[in-house]
Amino acid sequence: GQQLNQSPQSMFIQEGEDVSMNCTSSSIFNTWLWYKQDPGEGPVLLIALYKAGELTSNGRLTAQFGITRKDSFLNISASIPSDVGIYFCAGQPLTGTYKYIFGTGTRLKVLA
Amino acid sequence: EAGVVQSPRYKIIEKKQPVAFWCNPISGHNTLYWYRQNLGQGPELLIRYENEEAVDDSQLPKDRFSAERLKGVDSTLKIQPAELGDSAVYLCASSSFSGDNEQYFGPGTRLTVT
Repeated sequence: GQQLNQSPQSMFIQEGEDVSMNCTSSSIFNTWLWYKQDPGEGPVLLIALYKAGELTSNGRLTAQFGITRKDSFLNISASIPSDVGIYFCAGQPLTGTYKYIFGTGTRLKVLA
Repeated sequence: EAGVVQSPRYKIIEKKQPVAFWCNPISGHNTLYWYRQNLGQGPELLIRYENEEAVDDSQLPKDRFSAERLKGVDSTLKIQPAELGDSAVYLCASSSFSGDNEQYFGPGTRLTVT
């Protein structure tokens, strides 16, 4: 099935550093969701974006809906060990009401 | 508010055996999704229900997979017979028509086929 491209695939960072990741598509999307998944658990919704250019924060997390509507970005500031996990983006195509396509995931590892 | 509930959490079966997964969505959520997540990948949609109607099952391998959502609440996903390649995590999610299109996931069922 179709999956969105996420970058980077994985990253090691030091505790306290900021993290940036992105998700890109060849299609236009009208909604972007960002999830975090811990081992053995289901994805947990972090942030939802509904308009091009929208910037939304949730604590230390900030996500943006790209102007072209083909990409989205997630930033984590001052990372802590519990930020470890896999981050997934999910986009809702214009033609697929309530249907989401997921990214390949960015695996984050934080070094204390 | 209770989240999406799934059972069992883990299941180990031999190939060719049947298996079933159960999902109870968030109360009031009209739309229910079943996803399969292979190791190291993002979830991939198998089937989507709006109330009791399956509106998107294009990715469901219909020769061995079936699903139902009687009364538009709980749902069951079945595999019969299971194959080695079916080993994966099966995730259920739900969302609300009148809400904001946000999907909420259950903890998943990890299936191992030996």
